[in-house]
Amino acid sequence: EAGVTQFPSHSVIEKGQTVTLRCDPISGHDNLYWYRRVMGKEIKFLLHFVKESKQDESGMPNNRFLAERTGGTYSTLKVQPAELEDSGVYFCASSQTGTSGSYEQYFGPGTRLTVT
Amino acid sequence: GDSVTQMEGPVTLSEEAFLTINCTYTATGYPSLFWYVQYPGEGLQLLLKATKADDKGSNKGFEATYRKETTSFHLEKGSVQVSDSAVYFCALSFGGATNKLIFGTGTLLAVQP
Repeated sequence: EAGVTQFPSHSVIEKGQTVTLRCDPISGHDNLYWYRRVMGKEIKFLLHFVKESKQDESGMPNNRFLAERTGGTYSTLKVQPAELEDSGVYFCASSQTGTSGSYEQYFGPGTRLTVT
Repeated sequence: GDSVTQMEGPVTLSEEAFLTINCTYTATGYPSLFWYVQYPGEGLQLLLKATKADDKGSNKGFEATYRKETTSFHLEKGSVQVSDSAVYFCALSFGGATNKLIFGTGTLLAVQP
Protein backbone atom coordinates (compact mmCIF):
# COMPACT_ATOMS: atom_id res chain seq x y z
CA GLU A 1 0.00 0.00 0.00
CA ALA A 2 1.41 3.38 -0.97
CA GLY A 3 1.97 5.85 1.82
CA VAL A 4 1.20 9.55 1.91
CA THR A 5 3.02 11.33 -0.87
CA GLN A 6 3.82 15.00 -1.22
CA PHE A 7 5.00 17.07 -4.14
CA PRO A 8 7.34 18.80 -4.58
CA SER A 9 9.88 17.66 -2.02
CA HIS A 10 11.54 21.06 -2.10
CA SER A 11 10.50 24.41 -3.51
CA VAL A 12 12.47 27.63 -3.63
CA ILE A 13 10.54 30.75 -4.59
CA GLU A 14 10.91 34.48 -4.30
CA LYS A 15 8.88 36.62 -1.97
CA GLY A 16 5.63 37.59 -3.64
CA GLN A 17 5.41 34.51 -5.84
CA THR A 18 2.81 31.77 -5.62
CA VAL A 19 3.46 28.16 -4.69
CA THR A 20 1.14 25.17 -4.65
CA LEU A 21 1.90 22.11 -2.57
CA ARG A 22 0.19 18.82 -3.22
CA CYS A 23 -0.62 15.91 -0.96
CA ASP A 24 -1.91 12.49 -1.95
CA PRO A 25 -3.25 10.65 1.09
CA ILE A 26 -3.43 6.92 1.57
CA SER A 27 -6.27 5.55 -0.51
CA GLY A 28 -9.50 5.33 1.49
CA HIS A 29 -8.44 7.76 4.20
CA ASP A 30 -11.18 10.32 4.72
CA ASN A 31 -9.13 12.52 7.05
CA LEU A 32 -6.39 14.71 5.67
CA TYR A 33 -4.27 17.10 7.73
CA TRP A 34 -1.78 19.82 6.94
CA TYR A 35 0.94 20.77 9.44
CA ARG A 36 3.91 23.10 9.23
CA ARG A 37 7.28 23.19 10.95
CA VAL A 38 9.08 26.51 10.87
CA MET A 39 12.85 26.26 11.37
CA GLY A 40 13.69 24.68 14.69
CA LYS A 41 10.22 25.15 16.13
CA GLU A 42 7.34 22.82 16.83
CA ILE A 43 5.18 21.24 14.15
CA LYS A 44 1.94 23.21 14.06
CA PHE A 45 -1.48 22.12 12.88
CA LEU A 46 -2.87 24.09 9.94
CA LEU A 47 -6.14 22.40 9.00
CA HIS A 48 -8.13 19.21 8.76
CA PHE A 49 -10.31 17.89 5.95
CA VAL A 50 -12.94 15.19 6.25
CA LYS A 51 -13.40 14.07 2.68
CA GLU A 52 -13.79 17.35 0.78
CA SER A 53 -15.02 19.43 3.74
CA LYS A 54 -12.88 21.55 6.03
CA GLN A 55 -13.47 20.24 9.54
CA ASP A 56 -11.06 22.60 11.30
CA GLU A 57 -8.98 25.37 9.77
CA SER A 58 -8.12 27.12 13.01
CA GLY A 59 -4.39 26.82 12.39
CA MET A 60 -4.27 28.58 9.04
CA PRO A 61 -2.02 31.60 9.62
CA ASN A 62 -3.76 34.09 7.31
CA ASN A 63 -5.73 34.47 4.10
CA ARG A 64 -2.65 34.04 1.94
CA PHE A 65 -3.05 30.32 2.51
CA LEU A 66 -5.73 28.41 0.63
CA ALA A 67 -6.30 24.68 1.00
CA GLU A 68 -8.56 22.58 -1.18
CA ARG A 69 -9.51 18.96 -1.43
CA THR A 70 -11.78 18.66 -4.42
CA GLY A 71 -13.42 15.27 -4.71
CA GLY A 72 -12.11 14.23 -1.35
CA THR A 73 -8.93 12.70 -2.71
CA TYR A 74 -5.72 14.71 -3.02
CA SER A 75 -5.29 18.12 -1.48
CA THR A 76 -3.47 21.28 -2.46
CA LEU A 77 -2.16 24.08 -0.28
CA LYS A 78 -1.54 27.33 -2.10
CA VAL A 79 0.43 30.20 -0.69
CA GLN A 80 -0.18 33.48 -2.50
CA PRO A 81 1.73 35.74 -2.23
CA ALA A 82 4.52 34.02 -0.33
CA GLU A 83 6.36 35.84 2.44
CA LEU A 84 9.72 35.09 4.04
CA GLU A 85 8.08 33.78 7.22
CA ASP A 86 6.27 31.10 5.22
CA SER A 87 9.52 29.16 4.85
CA GLY A 88 9.44 25.80 6.57
CA VAL A 89 8.52 22.18 6.09
CA TYR A 90 4.89 21.45 5.27
CA PHE A 91 3.67 18.03 6.29
CA CYS A 92 0.55 16.25 5.18
CA ALA A 93 -1.02 13.38 7.10
CA SER A 94 -4.02 11.14 6.55
CA SER A 95 -6.07 8.77 8.67
CA GLN A 96 -9.11 6.58 8.58
CA THR A 97 -12.26 7.25 10.54
CA GLY A 98 -13.81 4.64 12.76
CA THR A 99 -16.64 4.33 15.22
CA SER A 100 -14.39 5.57 18.00
CA GLY A 101 -13.10 8.56 16.08
CA SER A 102 -10.03 9.08 13.94
CA TYR A 103 -7.27 6.55 13.79
CA GLU A 104 -3.48 6.95 13.61
CA GLN A 105 -2.25 9.70 11.38
CA TYR A 106 0.23 8.66 8.68
CA PHE A 107 2.59 11.38 7.58
CA GLY A 108 4.19 12.20 4.28
CA PRO A 109 7.87 13.15 3.95
CA GLY A 110 7.05 16.86 3.80
CA THR A 111 7.67 19.68 1.36
CA ARG A 112 10.48 22.03 2.26
CA LEU A 113 9.50 25.55 1.20
CA THR A 114 12.16 28.24 1.03
CA VAL A 115 11.06 31.81 0.35
CA THR A 116 13.91 34.15 -0.57
CA GLY B 1 -3.28 26.87 25.80
CA ASP B 2 -2.32 23.26 25.37
CA SER B 3 1.35 22.71 24.65
CA VAL B 4 4.23 20.24 24.70
CA THR B 5 7.76 20.96 25.88
CA GLN B 6 10.63 18.63 25.13
CA MET B 7 14.33 18.78 25.80
CA GLU B 8 16.43 20.59 23.26
CA GLY B 9 18.92 18.70 21.22
CA PRO B 10 20.99 17.57 19.74
CA VAL B 11 21.51 14.58 21.95
CA THR B 12 24.67 12.71 21.05
CA LEU B 13 25.23 9.23 22.45
CA SER B 14 27.51 6.30 21.85
CA GLU B 15 26.04 3.02 20.68
CA GLU B 16 24.55 0.95 23.51
CA ALA B 17 24.13 3.99 25.78
CA PHE B 18 20.93 4.65 27.72
CA LEU B 19 18.58 7.22 26.22
CA THR B 20 16.16 9.58 27.90
CA ILE B 21 14.35 12.39 26.08
CA ASN B 22 12.22 14.46 28.41
CA CYS B 23 8.72 15.57 27.48
CA THR B 24 6.22 17.49 29.58
CA TYR B 25 2.84 18.81 28.60
CA THR B 26 0.28 21.42 29.55
CA ALA B 27 -3.31 20.50 28.84
CA THR B 28 -6.76 21.49 30.03
CA GLY B 29 -8.04 17.92 29.94
CA TYR B 30 -6.71 14.39 29.65
CA PRO B 31 -5.05 13.96 26.28
CA SER B 32 -3.55 10.97 24.59
CA LEU B 33 0.24 11.21 24.34
CA PHE B 34 2.49 10.18 21.49
CA TRP B 35 6.07 9.89 20.40
CA TYR B 36 6.75 10.27 16.68
CA VAL B 37 10.08 9.66 14.98
CA GLN B 38 11.38 11.12 11.75
CA TYR B 39 14.26 9.31 10.10
CA PRO B 40 16.33 11.22 7.54
CA GLY B 41 14.40 11.79 4.32
CA GLU B 42 11.22 10.21 5.62
CA GLY B 43 7.90 11.31 7.09
CA LEU B 44 6.97 11.13 10.74
CA GLN B 45 6.14 7.68 12.03
CA LEU B 46 4.23 6.88 15.17
CA LEU B 47 6.67 5.28 17.59
CA LEU B 48 4.42 4.70 20.58
CA LYS B 49 1.42 6.11 22.38
CA ALA B 50 -0.47 6.07 25.67
CA THR B 51 -4.09 7.04 26.10
CA LYS B 52 -4.52 7.36 29.87
CA ALA B 53 -2.61 7.92 33.06
CA ASP B 54 -0.09 5.22 34.03
CA ASP B 55 -0.28 3.60 30.61
CA LYS B 56 3.07 2.57 29.19
CA GLY B 57 3.63 2.73 25.46
CA SER B 58 6.41 0.62 23.99
CA ASN B 59 7.83 -0.22 20.58
CA LYS B 60 11.22 -1.19 19.14
CA GLY B 61 12.80 -1.13 22.60
CA PHE B 62 11.53 2.37 23.35
CA GLU B 63 9.22 3.04 26.28
CA ALA B 64 7.31 5.97 27.73
CA THR B 65 4.90 6.14 30.67
CA TYR B 66 2.00 8.59 30.93
CA ARG B 67 2.53 10.37 34.26
CA LYS B 68 -0.42 12.57 35.09
CA GLU B 69 1.02 13.78 38.39
CA THR B 70 4.09 15.21 36.71
CA THR B 71 2.43 15.82 33.31
CA SER B 72 5.28 13.98 31.65
CA PHE B 73 5.85 11.36 28.97
CA HIS B 74 9.61 10.80 28.88
CA LEU B 75 11.02 8.56 26.16
CA GLU B 76 13.57 5.93 27.19
CA LYS B 77 15.61 3.18 25.58
CA GLY B 78 18.06 0.98 27.33
CA SER B 79 20.60 0.56 24.55
CA VAL B 80 20.55 2.79 21.49
CA GLN B 81 21.81 1.82 18.05
CA VAL B 82 23.19 3.90 15.22
CA SER B 83 19.93 3.22 13.36
CA ASP B 84 18.02 5.10 16.07
CA SER B 85 19.52 8.37 14.89
CA ALA B 86 16.53 10.55 14.03
CA VAL B 87 14.40 13.44 15.22
CA TYR B 88 11.92 12.53 17.97
CA PHE B 89 8.72 14.49 18.51
CA CYS B 90 6.49 14.34 21.55
CA ALA B 91 2.83 15.17 20.89
CA LEU B 92 -0.63 15.20 22.43
CA SER B 93 -4.15 14.95 21.09
CA PHE B 94 -7.65 15.12 22.53
CA GLY B 95 -9.16 13.02 19.77
CA GLY B 96 -12.67 14.10 18.90
CA ALA B 97 -13.85 15.29 15.52
CA THR B 98 -10.53 16.86 14.55
CA ASN B 99 -7.98 14.75 16.42
CA LYS B 100 -5.28 17.30 15.67
CA LEU B 101 -1.84 16.72 17.10
CA ILE B 102 0.02 19.30 19.19
CA PHE B 103 3.76 18.76 18.91
CA GLY B 104 6.87 19.71 20.77
CA THR B 105 9.89 21.19 19.01
CA GLY B 106 11.57 17.86 18.33
CA THR B 107 14.85 16.44 19.63
CA LEU B 108 17.61 15.36 17.29
CA LEU B 109 19.32 12.17 18.42
CA ALA B 110 22.70 11.25 16.96
CA VAL B 111 24.13 7.85 17.89
CA GLN B 112 27.79 7.29 17.16
CA PRO B 113 29.34 3.85 16.63
